[in-house]
Amino acid sequence: KQEVTQIPAALSVPEGENLVLNCSFTDSAIYNLQWFRQDPGKGLTSLLLIQSSQREQTSGRLNASLDKSSGRSTLYIAASQPGDSATYLCVRRGNEKLTFGTGTRLTIIP
Amino acid sequence: DAGVIQSPRHEVTEMGQEVTLRCKPISGHDYLFWYRQTMMRGLELLIYFNNNVPIDDSGMPEDRFSAKMPNASFSTLKIQPSEPRDSAVYFCASSPGQRIMLNYGYTFGSGTRLTVV
Repeated sequence: KQEVTQIPAALSVPEGENLVLNCSFTDSAIYNLQWFRQDPGKGLTSLLLIQSSQREQTSGRLNASLDKSSGRSTLYIAASQPGDSATYLCVRRGNEKLTFGTGTRLTIIP
Repeated sequence: DAGVIQSPRHEVTEMGQEVTLRCKPISGHDYLFWYRQTMMRGLELLIYFNNNVPIDDSGMPEDRFSAKMPNASFSTLKIQPSEPRDSAVYFCASSPGQRIMLNYGYTFGSGTRLTVV
């Protein structure tokens, strides 16, 4: 069974700190990996998409990396802000279906 | 593009009633997915379509659930009769066709929060 695990399940850090969210998947045969954020009661917002041929993607304060050989992806958030508080989901795409990670609930403390 | 549009945003209905959720995918996207999200089970794929044809409905929980995609710009998810355990947020997502899918991810709608009382 394809699984995507995110560690930690919850994280609280003071504002301004850099942080890393981790995602691991059991099946390295992926097409791409996508990071989403979900705010309470809201839908999913796409943050970054990494193709299987890529190693990383950057958008503003966010940087996502992909290591297929080890089955891992990380999302790096620089200079965290209270507005970054949300649940972050990594989503692995193999063939047509998506496999969702378990999510990390991030709280940035002002 | 307005993105994936779902309606209604919220739905409260009584047990036993029929519920219809609607989705308009992004124009040109060949794939459409219906997901359900609950606290206990997270996000679950219910069914997905390719070029309006249902490809995999193995995630549909029961015969009470049905989904249609009569054309490329519209899909419905129907629950009849509804039960309290169907209460969840239902998301629709779309994605481009297989050949160019590698360059694009998935775009999700804002979801429909269904409460069955």
